[in-house]
Amino acid sequence: ILNVEQSPQSLHVQEGDSTNFTCSFPSSNFYALHWYRWETAKSPEALFVMTLNGDEKKKGRISATLNTKEGYSYLYIKGSQPEDSATYLCAFLRYSGGGADGLTFGKGTHLIIQP
Amino acid sequence: NAGVTQTPKFRVLKTGQSMTLLCAQDMNHEYMYWYRQDPGMGLRLIHYSVGEGTTAKGEVPDGYNVSRLKKQNFLLGLESAAPSQTSVYFCASSYMATSTDTQYFGPGTRLTVL
Repeated sequence: ILNVEQSPQSLHVQEGDSTNFTCSFPSSNFYALHWYRWETAKSPEALFVMTLNGDEKKKGRISATLNTKEGYSYLYIKGSQPEDSATYLCAFLRYSGGGADGLTFGKGTHLIIQP
Repeated sequence: NAGVTQTPKFRVLKTGQSMTLLCAQDMNHEYMYWYRQDPGMGLRLIHYSVGEGTTAKGEVPDGYNVSRLKKQNFLLGLESAAPSQTSVYFCASSYMATSTDTQYFGPGTRLTVL
C-alpha cells in the first residue's frame, strides 16, 4: 500500500489571504502527481498533472510545485476567494513495469474560506 | 458530451442482496476505474480496466467483481452486500494511463447496506 499524505487535514483561511498545503508521496517509481479539486456534492476535477522534478504549474490564482527526489508537492492559493472552498486531493501515479496502474489518493485538505 | 455517468445515484440494500453499478463514458477512454470514498479514508481504488475485456484489482477489491464488455461501460458488482460496503462509489476514466492523462470522474453512487 502506497503512502500519500496530505497536510493539514483542514484549513480555515480569511478571504484575501494566501495559503498553501502539502502532499507527500513515495520518492521511488515516480510517474506523476495529480492535484484535484473536489467541491461538495460534485465530482473531483483535475487541476494539475505534474511529471518532472522541479515542475511548476499555474492556473489563475492556484499554483503547484513538485519535488520528486524528496517526495513532496505544494499547492498554493493566492488571494483566497469563497469559491476556492473545496477539498484538494493529491494523487500519486506509480510507474510499474509496463506502465502505470491506478492513482493512489491522499485523504485531502479541506479548505474553507471565510468571508 | 455527457462525460462520465453513473447509475443509480442512490441505492439502499439489505445485507446479502446483490446489485450492479453501471459506469458509462462517451469520451472513447481506454482506462476506467472504480473507487470508493469513505469518511477519513480518501478515495480508494477497487478495480480498474485498461481496455475492453480487461480488468485488474486495485487496493480494496474484496467483495466486488467488475466487467468491461464494452469500451464505454464498466460495471461494478456486489454479489452479497455487507454493511462494510456502505460507501460512495465513484467511477472515473482516462484516455490512457500515461504520466499526463487526467482522470474524469462521475457524479458518484451513494450505497447504503443495512
